[in-house]
Amino acid sequence: AQSVTQPDIHITVSEGASLELRCNYSYGATPYLFWYVQSPGQGLQLLLKYFSGDTLVQGIKGFEAEFKRSQSSFNLRKPSVHWSDAAEYFCAVAAITDSWGKFQFGAGTQVVVTP
Amino acid sequence: KAGVTQTPRYLIKTRGQQVTLSCSPISGHRSVSWYQQTPGQGLQFLFEYFSETQRNKGNFPGRFSGRQFSNSRSEMNVSTLELGDSALYLCASSLDLSGSGELFFGEGSRLTVL
Repeated sequence: AQSVTQPDIHITVSEGASLELRCNYSYGATPYLFWYVQSPGQGLQLLLKYFSGDTLVQGIKGFEAEFKRSQSSFNLRKPSVHWSDAAEYFCAVAAITDSWGKFQFGAGTQVVVTP
Repeated sequence: KAGVTQTPRYLIKTRGQQVTLSCSPISGHRSVSWYQQTPGQGLQFLFEYFSETQRNKGNFPGRFSGRQFSNSRSEMNVSTLELGDSALYLCASSLDLSGSGELFFGEGSRLTVL
């Protein structure tokens, strides 16, 4: 069974600084990987996804993520954080052999942005 | 294009009662999934429906059930509510089982059980 680990529960970053959120996954085959963001009181919004091909994927809001098969990682990065990036971020994996709606989510990383 | 709509947004119930939550997917989306989100357990998969058929079910007791109608709208029901059922229940829709690459989430129904 697939699993997702987000080692950092909480990260505080200064506005304008860079941000990296870690995600490690466990899956027997090539997974479909995703990063979602959740603002308070809201549902989840997709930031980016990786299926295959180029291991560096670009997403919305200036985010990017790099798939590293050797490290079973899919870390999310942003070069310069804005106050509006304060939210909770979830890494997720989907099994392509299973029904599409069954995603395995990590526990989430809460990002706080300070002035 | 309207997004995923969940109703009600907030509700309060007491132990032993039952609750029904509704989800209207994005027009044209045939797959609807449900997730429970709690501070302690995070996001947990409940079940997924496609063309009125339950395709997958998570590890939840039989008190949790769902269904999907011919118009793809979905409902989930929780019977004999327990305090631990207090959570944000999120519905997500997608185009089909082959994977459009994205689950579109609603804003959720926040259930409080007293």
